[in-house]
Amino acid sequence: EDKVVQSPLSLVVHEGDTVTLNCSYEVTNFRSLLWYKQEKKAPTFLFMLTSSGIEKKSGRLSSILDKKELFSILNITATQTGDSAVYLCAPGVGTYKYIFGTGTRLKVLA
Amino acid sequence: DTGVSQDPRHKITKRGQNVTFRCDPISEHNRLYWYRQTLGQGPEFLTYFQNEAQLEKSRLLSDRFSAERPKGSFSTLEIQRTEQGDSAMYLCASSPWISGRAIPGELFFGEGSRLTVL
Repeated sequence: EDKVVQSPLSLVVHEGDTVTLNCSYEVTNFRSLLWYKQEKKAPTFLFMLTSSGIEKKSGRLSSILDKKELFSILNITATQTGDSAVYLCAPGVGTYKYIFGTGTRLKVLA
Repeated sequence: DTGVSQDPRHKITKRGQNVTFRCDPISEHNRLYWYRQTLGQGPEFLTYFQNEAQLEKSRLLSDRFSAERPKGSFSTLEIQRTEQGDSAMYLCASSPWISGRAIPGELFFGEGSRLTVL
């Protein structure tokens, strides 16, 4: 059965801290992995990862995929209160389907 | 606004009633998904359409759930004889499919339809 595990489940940090969010997966016919940020509404897209070892960056956020060890990490540096959200990872199964983890709930304190 | 739109945004119904949600995807996207999300959980896959063809339906989905995408554009998700356990956010997402590309594209989500069953 396809499985996605995110850790930690929740995290509380202070502004300026750096956080690392983890996503491990076991899925059949893996093709790509997505990261999303979800506040009190629909998930918004952050990254798509398809190749191992190639870091993707967007401002203070970065992510990398390890297809051999079956995990991905999302890093956020110099956190801000606006980063408070649930972060979801979703490995792709086959050519069209994504399954989501439970998410990591991040709270950044001022 | 050319994003994914869903209607209604909120629905409160009594147990046993039928409800229908509508999703209008991004116009050039031929892939359409329905997910369900409950509090504290990630989105759970329900079903997937490529154009008008429903290619997968989650085995977790009971026969009370049905989805259609009759002309390959908008989609509807109907829940018959609702139960309290159906209370959730129903998310629609669309994605482009590029011929010859084996990797699925990212999902673009609508704002969701929140269902409360009393």
